[in-house]
Amino acid sequence: NAGVMQNPRHLVRRRGQEARLRCSPMKGHSHVYWYRQLPEEGLKFMVYLQKENIIDESGMPKERFSAEFPKEGPSILRIQQVVRGDSAAYFCASSPPMAREAFFGQGTRLTVV
Amino acid sequence: EDQVTQSPEALRLQEGESSSLNCSYTVSGLRGLFWYRQDPGKGPEFLFTLYSAGEEKEKERLKATLTKKESFLHITAPKPEDSATYLCAVQADAGGTSYGKLTFGQGTILTVHP
Repeated sequence: NAGVMQNPRHLVRRRGQEARLRCSPMKGHSHVYWYRQLPEEGLKFMVYLQKENIIDESGMPKERFSAEFPKEGPSILRIQQVVRGDSAAYFCASSPPMAREAFFGQGTRLTVV
Repeated sequence: EDQVTQSPEALRLQEGESSSLNCSYTVSGLRGLFWYRQDPGKGPEFLFTLYSAGEEKEKERLKATLTKKESFLHITAPKPEDSATYLCAVQADAGGTSYGKLTFGQGTILTVHP
């Protein structure tokens, strides 16, 4: 059973470009969470999604950031018009329904130049 | 607001020197407390879930315990391969709904010297 798959592992974008981060949850997991880890900071919750629904986006910046988890395909975290401050590691986690434990992917390291 | 504080920030041990990491928390109804291990450049690796005060769980050289205000991760006779950042996180009771949002502490960077 493959783990949570994130791609790309590393992403370099110039200021003003768009970044798209993808996350395929573990088989049988219908809940997806996105977290951001800024340099020298801890993991911070961004958004919680179930298939075709955003359950909690209280940790998402109000502008430029969006997330989706379509009926088919991976979850996508989209960052429009990236700025240097968006440089961070973005982690996706997934869990099955009603479970408490979440399992993390290896992350996407975004660098904005 | 849920809060998690881990101490110390960094811990250096000699191989075989046992010690403990602390995780203090405040949460509006604890649904679970989680310990993860994170190696440089990798994602957090799940270690333990603790659900109620008094609970203990063990895995190899690690033992996690839980009280109403804090959790400890005890490391017995550590080896260099135990070097990593250890993360503590809490999950709040969302009133009966299935909700897995985690609030993390800053982590403890553990270095075990041979």
